[in-house]
Amino acid sequence: DQQVKQNSPSLSVQEGRISILNCDYTNSMFDYFLWYKKYPAEGPTFLISISSIKDKNEDGRFTVFLNKSAKHLSLHIVPSQPGDSAVYFCAATFTGTASKLTFGTGTRLQVTL
Amino acid sequence: DVKVTQSSRYLVKRTGEKVFLECVQDMDHENMFWYRQDPGLGLRLIYFSYDVKMKEKGDIPEGYSVSREKKERFSLILESASTNQTSMYLCASSLVLGQNVQETQYFGPGTRLLVL
Repeated sequence: DQQVKQNSPSLSVQEGRISILNCDYTNSMFDYFLWYKKYPAEGPTFLISISSIKDKNEDGRFTVFLNKSAKHLSLHIVPSQPGDSAVYFCAATFTGTASKLTFGTGTRLQVTL
Repeated sequence: DVKVTQSSRYLVKRTGEKVFLECVQDMDHENMFWYRQDPGLGLRLIYFSYDVKMKEKGDIPEGYSVSREKKERFSLILESASTNQTSMYLCASSLVLGQNVQETQYFGPGTRLLVL
């Protein structure tokens, strides 16, 4: 049972345009969400997170939006750059679970020139 | 700067062999994790540990065991490797900031294991 889903396995965006990566979850107990970026042959690195008490969190070119009623979050990258080409994983957790994260299946973003 | 290292980047083993994957973190983190990453399945938690000698099963513990004798080191053991354990194995660690509050997880570079 996939509790965190990323329905788009891949996405291609032109440099300078907006990249929107989507993530859906089914467990309403999740209250903290994270995005990780992964380059080939490297471990995932933390990108941005959001608590369920917020609906938006921004860090430079990266913004995460949370729609609790729809159990949906999205990552916006503006403007997209070639160095953003990577696999992006969303992850979810809930307070009191000793840090266990549930990951989505990942979306491969390709930013083209 | 947090560093999580894994003993091997690539490993080739034969079916039935006992396999040890080692992970070391240098930031005194309480929590350590083992995941496997497979195409189309994302990262799945195998085991995690929140203290020395403590361990908890993740989502897919079958066929694996773990050992945490020292705070900085977390080992994943494949008792009898099988071909369906061919995968990328990722270790991570995180700091506990307070009750029910955690910092993000930091990952090692991964070990790509091929079981023939």
